[in-house]
Amino acid sequence: DQQVKQNSPSLSVQEGRISILNCDYTNSMFDYFLWYKKYPAEGPTFLISISSIKDKNEDGRFTVFLNKSAKHLSLHIVPSQPGDSAVYFCAASADGYALNFGKGTSLLVTP
Amino acid sequence: NAGVTQTPKFRILKIGQSMTLQCTQDMNHNYMYWYRQDPGMGLKLIYYSVGAGITDKGEVPNGYNVSRSTTEDFPLRLELAAPSQTSVYFCASSYSPPGYEQYFGPGTRLTVT
Repeated sequence: DQQVKQNSPSLSVQEGRISILNCDYTNSMFDYFLWYKKYPAEGPTFLISISSIKDKNEDGRFTVFLNKSAKHLSLHIVPSQPGDSAVYFCAASADGYALNFGKGTSLLVTP
Repeated sequence: NAGVTQTPKFRILKIGQSMTLQCTQDMNHNYMYWYRQDPGMGLKLIYYSVGAGITDKGEVPNGYNVSRSTTEDFPLRLELAAPSQTSVYFCASSYSPPGYEQYFGPGTRLTVT
């Protein structure tokens, strides 16, 4: 039972434009959400997170938005750069231990 | 700091063989985790530990065992390897949940044939 869903397996964006990656979840007990970035043959690296008590968190070019009523979060990357090309995983936690991961969205930023 | 290190990077096992995946972190994190990632899927938690001597099962623990004798090390043992255990295994650590990001190792790619 997939509790965290990333319905777009891939996304292609031109350099300089905005990339929007989406994530939906089903478990209303999730209280913390994270985005990880993964390059091939490497482990995931933490990008940005948001608590369920907030609806927005910003860190440089990266902003995460949380819509609890819709059980939806999104990651905005502005402006997108070729080095942002990677697989992005959405993850959520309810008990503080297990991270529930989505299947990932492969982002390609073209020059 | 080296962060989270994993050995080996790659391994091929025959069905029924056993092996231990090693994981070490030098960040003095209390919490450590083992995940597996199957092709086209997200990461799934196998086991986790909240400190030396304390371990607990995650979502997919069958066929695996862990131990945590020190803060730094968290080995994952595969007994009687099966083709279903072909996957990429990631070890991670964190200061404490929730809200604290987990730091991941580079992964071990395991093939069971």
